Amino acid sequence: DSGVTQTPKHLITATGQRVTLRCSPRSGDLSVYWYQQSLDQGLQFLIQYYNGEERAKGNILERFSAQQFPDLHSELNLSSLELGDSALYFCASSARLAYPKDDTQYFGPGTRLTVL
Amino acid sequence: GQNIDQPTEMTATEGAIVQINCTYQTSGFNGLFWYQQHAGEAPTFLSYNVLDGLEEKGRFSSFLSRSKGYSYLLLKELQMKDSASYLCAVIKGSNTDKLIFGTGTRLQVFP
Repeated sequence: DSGVTQTPKHLITATGQRVTLRCSPRSGDLSVYWYQQSLDQGLQFLIQYYNGEERAKGNILERFSAQQFPDLHSELNLSSLELGDSALYFCASSARLAYPKDDTQYFGPGTRLTVL
Repeated sequence: GQNIDQPTEMTATEGAIVQINCTYQTSGFNGLFWYQQHAGEAPTFLSYNVLDGLEEKGRFSSFLSRSKGYSYLLLKELQMKDSASYLCAVIKGSNTDKLIFGTGTRLQVFP
């Protein structure tokens, strides 16, 4: 158990709908990262928040948005869903911004999104 | 570019040693991670290399050559539970902690 929690574990919805995925980082971690993992692709970095502010952006579609709240939990909002959005969505957290040796990203169990 | 290359699949026998290679483009390199991921589960951290050389941690070791843009993960005394995907991930840039992942190597360990 990494200490990162994600809800829901599974989500099944229809095309055109909107969903919200939730992540709670490990206690004390300030950074939250969102990743998408499709069957035919590796982990794709979507976006990072640090202490409430957007820190880095990856291959995140305009239909997707995220935020980090004052209590440091984060939500990833996916709208106008398409079949191709079906994937595992992981949240990860780390303590700080920089990467000293002992600071790494710890992944939550993921949310499996199925768009029908 | 961001290309990180790993073999797609490997097989090995229980008790053996296997080496999983990872190559990356060196520009802006600032650290390399190895993660293990069982199917449908979260990636779990294995190792981190930022300087050249070998880092050993029990049955797992990771090597880095920055000039060659090359790393490997060495798994010794393989066990059935080591059957998983192994993900190589690189940090590019000096003031970022964004990880760029390779597509992973799926390792199957046979008895």
